[in-house]
Amino acid sequence: DAGITQSPRYKITETGRQVTLMCHQTWSHSYMFWYRQDLGHGLRLIYYSAAADITDKGEVPDGYVVSRSKTENFPLTLESATRSQTSVYFCASSGSPLGGAGELFFGEGSRLTVL
Amino acid sequence: GQNIDQPTEMTATEGAIVQINCTYQTSGFNGLFWYQQHAGEAPTFLSYNVLDGLEEKGRFSSFLSRSKGYSYLLLKELQMKDSASYLCALALNTGFQKLVFGTGTRLLVSP
Repeated sequence: DAGITQSPRYKITETGRQVTLMCHQTWSHSYMFWYRQDLGHGLRLIYYSAAADITDKGEVPDGYVVSRSKTENFPLTLESATRSQTSVYFCASSGSPLGGAGELFFGEGSRLTVL
Repeated sequence: GQNIDQPTEMTATEGAIVQINCTYQTSGFNGLFWYQQHAGEAPTFLSYNVLDGLEEKGRFSSFLSRSKGYSYLLLKELQMKDSASYLCALALNTGFQKLVFGTGTRLLVSP
């Protein structure tokens, strides 16, 4: 009954370092998403994926890289972290197209601080 | 593009009714979602409106008017546990499944 899990839950890193946030879901959902949440901006879409090996950019993709070699995993990598990437990151999944009332299921979030 | 506007913060009293509004400008969308997010937690699904009108689900109801670019979430018989942020989100019909969120309304329920 794991659902969707993210790791690490908390991470402090330094400017310029590479950081990878992991996301794993056990429902075999086709659609997976990465959002960041900042005060005053709400949730903003970084990247999304319709299936294994299919990914595309969202609203704020710069500085991030994703991959989806397996349906259940959708890691997000910050190649060279910057202070502006300090945020709470949420991974989400959906079993059906959102237009068909496919609600998003969110992970618990990963709080990243870049010093 | 699309703009989604919600009040930043609202306060209400336990047992009362509160209406949280969401207005938007967009070229097209499939439906409108409402999510609840308690502080420090993940958002959770509350409701989804495709057609104009009211969708009722227990103490919570959501309304959509496409012609007016307007939605609201109605919370009845408020409880302390309803203190949370409420996020309005549009499911865009851009050929792929994208959900665009408003900045959310923080609701504080007092005794």
